[in-house]
Formats: sequence, C-alpha cells, structure tokens
Amino acid sequence: GAVVSQHPSWVICKSGTSVKIECRSLDFQATTMFWYRQFPKQSLMLMATSNEGSKATYEQGVEKDKFLINHASLTLSTLTVTSAHPEDSSFYICSATDREQETQYFGPGTRLLVL
Amino acid sequence: AQKITQTQPGMFVQEKEAVTLDCTYDTSDPSYGLFWYKQPSSGEMIFLIYQGSYDQQNATEGRYSLNFQKARKSANLVISASQLGDSAMYFCAMREVNTGFQKLVFGTGTRLLVSP
Repeated sequence: GAVVSQHPSWVICKSGTSVKIECRSLDFQATTMFWYRQFPKQSLMLMATSNEGSKATYEQGVEKDKFLINHASLTLSTLTVTSAHPEDSSFYICSATDREQETQYFGPGTRLLVL
Repeated sequence: AQKITQTQPGMFVQEKEAVTLDCTYDTSDPSYGLFWYKQPSSGEMIFLIYQGSYDQQNATEGRYSLNFQKARKSANLVISASQLGDSAMYFCAMREVNTGFQKLVFGTGTRLLVSP
C-alpha cells in the first residue's frame, strides 16, 4: 500500500514559537493532501485540504494565518503552527491521495505539546 | 446533521470470535465511498476496507468484510477470527464526490477490545 511519512513524530515547544510539520508521500505522487487534528478520545477533524501548487482550502473555524499550509511538490506538504499556544497542543495527522483519489493514506501523526 | 454515526463507543470480543462494528451514514449524493480505518494506540490511521456506492458486491479484505446495506444506509465492518492485535479504535468514514477534493467525514469511532 501507499506510504505516507510525517516528521517529527513528537514535538515539545515553548509558547510563542512556530512549529513546522512535514508530510511526505514516499511511493506515490500526492496531488491532494489533507491535514487533520485529533483531540484525545475524539475523532479526526479536517483542518484543510491542499492541492499541489495551489493555496490550501481551510475548513470553517480554522485560522489560515495560524496554520500555514504549503504543498510545493507532489510529495511534500508542510503545516506550520505559528505562535503556538498551549491550546494548540494536539495530535496532527496528514493524509494523501493520488490522481485517482480512491483512498486517503495517512501518515503516522505528530503529537504537539506546547508549554 | 451527523453524516456518519457510530453508535457503539466500545465493543468487547473474545479472541477468535467475529465482531460487527456498526456504521450508518447520511447523504443525498448518489455517488459516495465508505471507508473503515483502524487507529491503534500509536495513533496512525490504517486503511482497512473501501466500499463504493455503486459496488454490487460487499467489499472484503482478508478478515475484514463490509456489510453494505444501501437502503438502510449502513456499512458495518465485520472482523472475523478476532486477534489480540485487533484491539484499537475503528473509524468509519464517508467520501462524498460532490464536496470536491474528495474530503472524508469521520464518525466518532468505536473502541474494540479483544480479550484472550
């Protein structure tokens, strides 16, 4: 099956700093990548959808200036949490699909803890 | 309105037995896809099985099968011969073609515990 990697898997940072999370498709070209957030014991909440070479489409209630998404190539998308605060602590997980867009394949996720 | 409903917050099953995880959905789009994902405690989302709305046959993948009842709008996951490693959260998800970008909507999940 398709493999998606995410880096880092864990990050602890001080309040006010920015954190960048990378999502890579390793064995296929990801025309579309998705970023989700998951709070403990809850389901996945879609934050934004990004297509390679174009601006991300954010879900309602998600601040695009706070969660910067870049999808510069067919294998890489990045999520930058700017000026992180403790309430941004969460599990962030990306997924990717190829041109046929049948199935979303997920990365292993990134646990962010903002102190 | 809830698009994907998983009414079982938790399920218990003994090893080697079969278990059914319920999922109902709501859509007016005639073309849609239904997915099941497994999320172990490590957090990764593992794709298990897919059913398209026009598929005539129920999807099967090894020990996983999807009991697709279109008229009832249900897409239950059946795990046969449960193993201890099946203990995890299970999410049902739907993709509506008309939403664009093939977005997935997830249910709230069911935690499955397999006992020896």
